[in-house]
Amino acid sequence: AQSVTQPDIHITVSEGASLELRCNYSYGATPYLFWYVQSPGQGLQLLLKYFSGDTLVQGIKGFEAEFKRSQSSFNLRKPSVHWSDAAEYFCAVSQGQGLTGGGNKLTFGTGTQLKVEL
Amino acid sequence: NAGVTQTPKFQVLKTGQSMTLQCAQDMNHEYMSWYRQDPGMGLRLIHYSVGAGITDQGEVPNGYNVSRSTTEDFPLRLLSAAPSQTSVYFCASSARGGSSGANVLTFGAGSRLTVL
Repeated sequence: AQSVTQPDIHITVSEGASLELRCNYSYGATPYLFWYVQSPGQGLQLLLKYFSGDTLVQGIKGFEAEFKRSQSSFNLRKPSVHWSDAAEYFCAVSQGQGLTGGGNKLTFGTGTQLKVEL
Repeated sequence: NAGVTQTPKFQVLKTGQSMTLQCAQDMNHEYMSWYRQDPGMGLRLIHYSVGAGITDQGEVPNGYNVSRSTTEDFPLRLLSAAPSQTSVYFCASSARGGSSGANVLTFGAGSRLTVL
């Protein structure tokens, strides 16, 4: 069964500092990987996704993530954090494209809560 | 464009009561799903549907019932609420497979349920 590990429950960074949130996955085939962000009391918003191709993917709000197959990782990065980035971040993996076999089912990590100090 | 709409946003139930969480999407998405979010556990899939008339169980289906009579609506029913079902519930939808949008879920704003 597929699984996702986000080893950091809480992370605190200063505004303007760089950020890296860790994500490790367990999946037998080529995974489809996602990062979502959740602001307090809100739903989840997609930051970026990796389906195939270039292993460095760019997302919204200045975020990027790098897929490393050898390390089973998909870490999220941002060069300079803004106070508005404070939120909870979820990494997720999917079985694959399409609807057959429930391919749109996501397995989520437990989330990383980001606090930004001014 | 409303996207995915969930109602109610908040609900308090007593143990044993039943209720339905509503979910509607206006994007003509074939796939719809329900997740629950609990502290320290991320989101877990309850039930999902790949089209009208087709539903299947996810990771934590016990105590919940779903049906999909139309493409737009995917209600989640709690048959006899228990305190363990206190959670935040999210509905999500996505388009059919292919490189143009498969697996990209659009989430509703959530429904916070408390069972006393």
